[in-house]
Amino acid sequence: QQPVQSPQAVILREGEDAVINCSSSKALYSVHWYRQKHGEAPVFLMILLKGGEQKGHEKISASFNEKKQQSSLYLTASQLSYSGTYFCGTAFKTSYDKVIFGPGTSLSVIP
Amino acid sequence: DAGVIQSPRHEVTEMGQEVTLRCKPISGHDYLFWYRQTMMRGLELLIYFNNNVPIDDSGMPEDRFSAKMPNASFSTLKIQPSEPRDSAVYFCASSGTEGNIQYFGAGTRLSVL
Repeated sequence: QQPVQSPQAVILREGEDAVINCSSSKALYSVHWYRQKHGEAPVFLMILLKGGEQKGHEKISASFNEKKQQSSLYLTASQLSYSGTYFCGTAFKTSYDKVIFGPGTSLSVIP
Repeated sequence: DAGVIQSPRHEVTEMGQEVTLRCKPISGHDYLFWYRQTMMRGLELLIYFNNNVPIDDSGMPEDRFSAKMPNASFSTLKIQPSEPRDSAVYFCASSGTEGNIQYFGAGTRLSVL
């Protein structure tokens, strides 16, 4: 039931863009995105509840395609502070308060 | 609010010993989650509570693990007896009325020798 994330890792130069994908084999109620910096706790970025919904946080946005059971996180004009591991978490319609996290995508932004 | 508070931050123990991890959720939050994070298995949900009642403990690895929430401001995760494979970072998170946004504590890094 764990969502699948891709890519596993990505290296960017400052100012470049990146997309992180998350997909599920089960019908989704919501998708959550968190970022974890090395040695720290995961921090909430955004939650998407409706099909096709898009949300934004600074220069980070996300989309949720309920029909395809997929979500994508878009990082534009990346900054050094964006480095970390990005987790998508999925909640299913049968248990919407339970979030299962994917394996994470390691993102490194270099000067 | 001080956020989710976990203690201890680091725990080193010997195999066979009992380990108790503690968590104080954000005041007013009615959900509490326990996670375990390792390189191999990622961020695993162990158990979660709603209004102090365990809702889903299907992620608890085995009977050596137990969790309690005696009141709205305190929860414990106990491992007895501990084994080296239990070494991991254990996170506690709580959520309230903001649509399942989870706030994580700083974690407890457990090393079982």
